[in-house]
Amino acid sequence: SQTIHQWPATLVQPVGSPLSLECTVEGTSNPNLYWYRQAAGRGLQLLFYSVGIGQISSEVPQNLSASRPQDRQFILSSKKLLLSDSGFYLCAWSSRTESTDTQYFGPGTRLTVL
Amino acid sequence: GEDVEQSLFLSVREGDSSVINCTYTDSSSTYLYWYKQEPGAGLQLLTYIFSNMDMKQDQRLTVLLNKKDKHLSLRIADTQTGDSAIYFCAEYTGTASKLTFGTGTRLQVTL
Repeated sequence: SQTIHQWPATLVQPVGSPLSLECTVEGTSNPNLYWYRQAAGRGLQLLFYSVGIGQISSEVPQNLSASRPQDRQFILSSKKLLLSDSGFYLCAWSSRTESTDTQYFGPGTRLTVL
Repeated sequence: GEDVEQSLFLSVREGDSSVINCTYTDSSSTYLYWYKQEPGAGLQLLTYIFSNMDMKQDQRLTVLLNKKDKHLSLRIADTQTGDSAIYFCAEYTGTASKLTFGTGTRLQVTL
């Protein structure tokens, strides 16, 4: 069966510090991968998605970047965090062999920027 | 457009039925989803329905789809305290090739 991991689970960082959040998927190959941000426990904002190694699409301009160095690894980064980067970050995957885009989510990372 | 709208909050008593509603505007949506998010956790896929279906039932969950009105609902029978969570609907459109999520409905179950 497929599983998706995210770490760390929680993170408190000062403004201006760098960020690296990691997401890995097990039990599947060539997944689509996604990064979302959820502010204040409400709606989801799609930040990045990837259909393959080194292929990243950005949905909104922001202080963040994403990379996919391996097939089942997706990393969210920032060189200098802003207060507005605080939120709950969710990684998700979907199968490229399905006709739908059914997405399966990881447990999330709670980021607080002080 | 691809806006997906949900009411923000719903409160029901334990044992009653809950009905969570969702409206969408993209008539080309092919699949519609319901996800559940418990506090501090990721989203859990509950169920989905293909656009050529009117209804899908899975144990205590019933999904109704009205394509004419672009209306999707999730009914939870015999609602329990463990059903307290935020529920998101989402639509998949082949043209955009992505999921668009609603704003989420917070379900509160009271004793």
